[in-house]
Amino acid sequence: QVTLRESGPALVNPTQTVTLTCSFSGFSLSTSGMCVSWIRQPPGKALEWLALIAWDDDKYYSTSLKTRLTISRDTSKNQVVLTMTNMDPVDTATYYCARNSGDYMSGMDVWGQGTTVTVSS
Amino acid sequence: QSVLTQPPSVSGAPGQRVTISCTGSSSNIGAGFDVYWYHQLPGTAPKLLIYGNSNRPSGVPDRFSGSKSGTSASLAITGLQADDEADFYCQSYDSILSASVFGGGTKLTVL
Repeated sequence: QVTLRESGPALVNPTQTVTLTCSFSGFSLSTSGMCVSWIRQPPGKALEWLALIAWDDDKYYSTSLKTRLTISRDTSKNQVVLTMTNMDPVDTATYYCARNSGDYMSGMDVWGQGTTVTVSS
Repeated sequence: QSVLTQPPSVSGAPGQRVTISCTGSSSNIGAGFDVYWYHQLPGTAPKLLIYGNSNRPSGVPDRFSGSKSGTSASLAITGLQADDEADFYCQSYDSILSASVFGGGTKLTVL
């Protein structure tokens, strides 16, 4: 059974850097073709794709946020980590990680429950 | 503004059929990239509803169907049920942005 779970701070001060961790089980990110994405959803708004890391450590980022995002993986721990710098109140959202059903152009077949991050002083 | 355009809301009576459109462009849906559909109940994570334009994951009722033509895709729901009420999102890949893109979401109301 494939599961993913996000974790991170619930509250972040403006200008700070936030680190979010996606812990997963039921698959290996070392397996050829596997990818994991991060997606966020501000309160009452639409989903927004943020970043993806592939089995071969290739990384892809949202064009609008790529200067602030870093995605990495720890295959031994089955974790994917997303860091976002210079947090702003507009970054308040629920952040999801999800397994892609195929390569970096594919959709997401299994999602985590999400972790809510509020940016406020 | 979302790269993929969906109607903000659709509604229908129990038992009826509704469709949700997802309009893209020549750099995403029109370029041949697959379309995915997700549904999301309030306070919960999205769940995959349709993959590869028209395929249903195991467990998704055949009341849900997807199609794609040109630069657009559609999700059809037949035999509407009260618990179908949810937000629905389409998603594809955009070659200009080199990124996955989502629609703005559609809220389905069962009257």
